Amino acid sequence: LAKTTQPISMDSYEGQEVNITCSHNNIATNDYITWYQQFPSQGPRFIIQGYKTKVTNEVASLFIPADRKSSTLSLPRVSLSDTAVYYCLVGEYGNKLVFGAGTILRVKS
Amino acid sequence: DAGVTQSPTHLIKTRGQQVTLRCSPKSGHDTVSWYQQALGQGPQFIFQYYEEEERQRGNFPDRFSGHQFPNYSSELNVNALLLGDSALYLCASSFGTANTGELFFGEGSRLTVL
Repeated sequence: LAKTTQPISMDSYEGQEVNITCSHNNIATNDYITWYQQFPSQGPRFIIQGYKTKVTNEVASLFIPADRKSSTLSLPRVSLSDTAVYYCLVGEYGNKLVFGAGTILRVKS
Repeated sequence: DAGVTQSPTHLIKTRGQQVTLRCSPKSGHDTVSWYQQALGQGPQFIFQYYEEEERQRGNFPDRFSGHQFPNYSSELNVNALLLGDSALYLCASSFGTANTGELFFGEGSRLTVL
């Protein structure tokens, strides 16, 4: 299973764009990259998933370079409610996804 | 459309006791995975059930066992509880074993072992 490395924490201000980078040097050919968000005492919530290049949905963008050894989650114009832990996961869907420690994002006013 | 529901939401047990946690998957989902999340850590995969069989298992002792019923709901059983078993237990559901898609998590069951 590919191991991921993320920053432990990040601080930002309301209205700013936040980019969280995840390193996954030994990603396998069949692995997808998935990001989850988790608020205290709640289950993680799916944000976005991608395989290569760029994926965008209504809440975030995911940038994946050609070598797929890293990925960047981009959150446009964050608000206080985006304060949460963000997890980067790499693996085949359904194949015992492994959560790391995640990145604590703190958004300040 | 109900999402993933778990019960109970909170419970307190003492060392050596046994506990059963329950999970109903999101409507239309047939696969259930269980995770353990200790305070301040990411969720750790326990096991996954599909077609009433354990398909994948993480690095957890045999004290952790599970079951999936014909209606796709699932139970997690933990025997001989240890203090270190105190955690938030999360259930996640999905459809089949497709290569893409998302896991839908419940709110979890908070277990405290005294």
